[in-house]
Amino acid sequence: KQEVTQIPAALSVPEGENLVLNCSFTDSAIYNLQWFRQDPGKGLTSLLLIQSSQREQTSGRLNASLDKSSGRSTLYIAASQPGDSATYLCAASNYGQNFVFGPGTRLSVLP
Amino acid sequence: GAVVSQHPSRVICKSGTSVKIECRSLDFQATTMFWYRQFPKQSLMLMATSNEGSKATYEQGVEKDKFLINHASLTLSTLTVTSAHPEDSSFYICSARDSGSYEQYFGPGTRLTVT
Repeated sequence: KQEVTQIPAALSVPEGENLVLNCSFTDSAIYNLQWFRQDPGKGLTSLLLIQSSQREQTSGRLNASLDKSSGRSTLYIAASQPGDSATYLCAASNYGQNFVFGPGTRLSVLP
Repeated sequence: GAVVSQHPSRVICKSGTSVKIECRSLDFQATTMFWYRQFPKQSLMLMATSNEGSKATYEQGVEKDKFLINHASLTLSTLTVTSAHPEDSSFYICSARDSGSYEQYFGPGTRLTVT
């Protein structure tokens, strides 16, 4: 059964810093890995989706990588801004199965 | 892109009443939909898998008689919280799996508050 963990649980950085969020999963037969952002009291905003055949995806200041063999994914945020403050969720799915979510990383970017 | 809607987005109900939440795939067919629940400051947990035309599959610890799921068409699944209690207050999110591509798309969520 797929299990997902995320490190760190919380992170506080000054504005402008580059940062890395980590996600680990137990079942390497992963089909999709997706990173989401969730603002307090709101729903999910999909940031990046990496399919099993891909190694990374980029969107603006965000870059997500996937290493199936080691069971890891990272989300890199460049030049962080206060507006990036949110909880970041990593979720993994096997083919045709539901997404399994990690516990999230709470990010605070201080002005 | 594929869109999944949920209705209502927010609902407040009294203890003991029932509440129905709808999940619709707007531009694709979804044989399978998933229902998740998120308690405050926690991550999303799968409650059940909804299959069109058949009974839903519930995760361990989720009461099937309390959380009724109906997936009567390829674009609509409903979750009914029966005899709601304050501990059922949560954020409920559905995702729909495109029957053709097998990609999954998430709805915006429904915040349920039981008073």
